[in-house]
Amino acid sequence: GENVEQHPSTLSVQEGDSAVIKCTYSDSASNYFPWYKQELGKRPQLIIDIRSNVGEKKDQRIAVTLNKTAKHFSLHITETQPEDSAVYFCAATYNDYKLSFGAGTTVTVRA
Amino acid sequence: DTAVSQTPKYLVTQMGNDKSIKCEQNLGHDTMYWYKQDSKKFLKIMFSYNNKELIINETVPNRFSPKSPDKAHLNLHINSLELGDSAVYFCASSQSGGMSTDTQYFGPGTRLTVL
Repeated sequence: GENVEQHPSTLSVQEGDSAVIKCTYSDSASNYFPWYKQELGKRPQLIIDIRSNVGEKKDQRIAVTLNKTAKHFSLHITETQPEDSAVYFCAATYNDYKLSFGAGTTVTVRA
Repeated sequence: DTAVSQTPKYLVTQMGNDKSIKCEQNLGHDTMYWYKQDSKKFLKIMFSYNNKELIINETVPNRFSPKSPDKAHLNLHINSLELGDSAVYFCASSQSGGMSTDTQYFGPGTRLTVL
């Protein structure tokens, strides 16, 4: 089955700086890579996703890159703000019956 | 107009009891899921249902029994609760499932505490 590894487990950044979270996956058949943000006590919510037919996708201050050859993908948050503080999860799947999640990255944005 | 809802939000119970968590989605989705999030925040799929049919059962103890009376509802019944069952349980749904890959929408979660 799919195994997703996520690094780092915690990330502290100064407000205004960038944050980068990296994930690797094991199953070369995986073709869908969503990123979820979970604020304290809340539900995970999709913030961006990428499919294997593209290498990069941007949405305002967040972007995701995918390297299929190396089987890794990354989340980039620019100009971080206090409201970006949360746990971020990467995930991978080739069908959405079974989304495999990374272990999560706790991001803290220091004011 | 809540998309995916769960009840109850909090559940505190004694070891050995039987309890149920209910989930409903009003998005018209075909596929529903149960996830368990442990104290270290790890999200793990437990079950997946497509049009009321069980698709995935991820080596979950048979004390856990999902039931889908219709495609808008997926309930989780847990027998003989154990301390290790304490976690947050999330329901989710997606449009179709199978070989397509649609966004999964999560419910608010049910925090289960077994004493």
